[in-house]
Amino acid sequence: AQTVTQSQPEMSVQEAETVTLSCTYDTSESDYYLFWYKQPPSRQMILVIRQEAYKQQNATENRFSVNFQKAAKSFSLKISDSQLGDAAMYFCAYRSDYGGATNKLIFGTGTLLAVQP
Amino acid sequence: ETGVTQSPTHLIKTRGQQVTLRCSSQSGHNTVSWYQQALGQGPQFIFQYYREEENGRGNFPPRFSGLQFPNYSSELNVNALELDDSALYLCASSSTGTYYEQYFGPGTRLTVT
Repeated sequence: AQTVTQSQPEMSVQEAETVTLSCTYDTSESDYYLFWYKQPPSRQMILVIRQEAYKQQNATENRFSVNFQKAAKSFSLKISDSQLGDAAMYFCAYRSDYGGATNKLIFGTGTLLAVQP
Repeated sequence: ETGVTQSPTHLIKTRGQQVTLRCSSQSGHNTVSWYQQALGQGPQFIFQYYREEENGRGNFPPRFSGLQFPNYSSELNVNALELDDSALYLCASSSTGTYYEQYFGPGTRLTVT
């Protein structure tokens, strides 16, 4: 069974600085997707960034980028130029890409990010 | 915001009662997944519906059941509520055209007393 581990329950960053959130996962599969989701106090889960395991290039979305290390099963999220609106709970998630597999998401326990003005 | 809506926003039930939660999927999406998020935890997969049929289930007892309707909206039913069922229930819709990316609703906060 696949598992996702986020070892940082809480992180804090100064506005305009850079922060990196860590995620490791365990799987025996070779084809999968990895995601970072943001859940602000409003509760609605928002997709931040997606990484396909077959792609060697790290995904980027504006101020958000990932460091995907497939052999190490590591998938960290870097937030550059942090803004007050980035404060939220961040979840790392895994999804199998095998045909016929339920496309369920397996989530980590989350990292609560605080942004200090 | 996504086009996924859920109702009600909050509700309080008594142990042993039954509850129905509702989800309207985003336009064009034919798959709905339900997750339970206990306080301070990540969401846990309950089950998924694709074209009105259950398409995978997580480690939840049979008293958790669901339906999907022809318009792809969905219901989650929980019978014989227990205190541990208190959680945020999230639904997410997806389709083949979006790499099955899941778009989440705002959730329903269920409190069981």
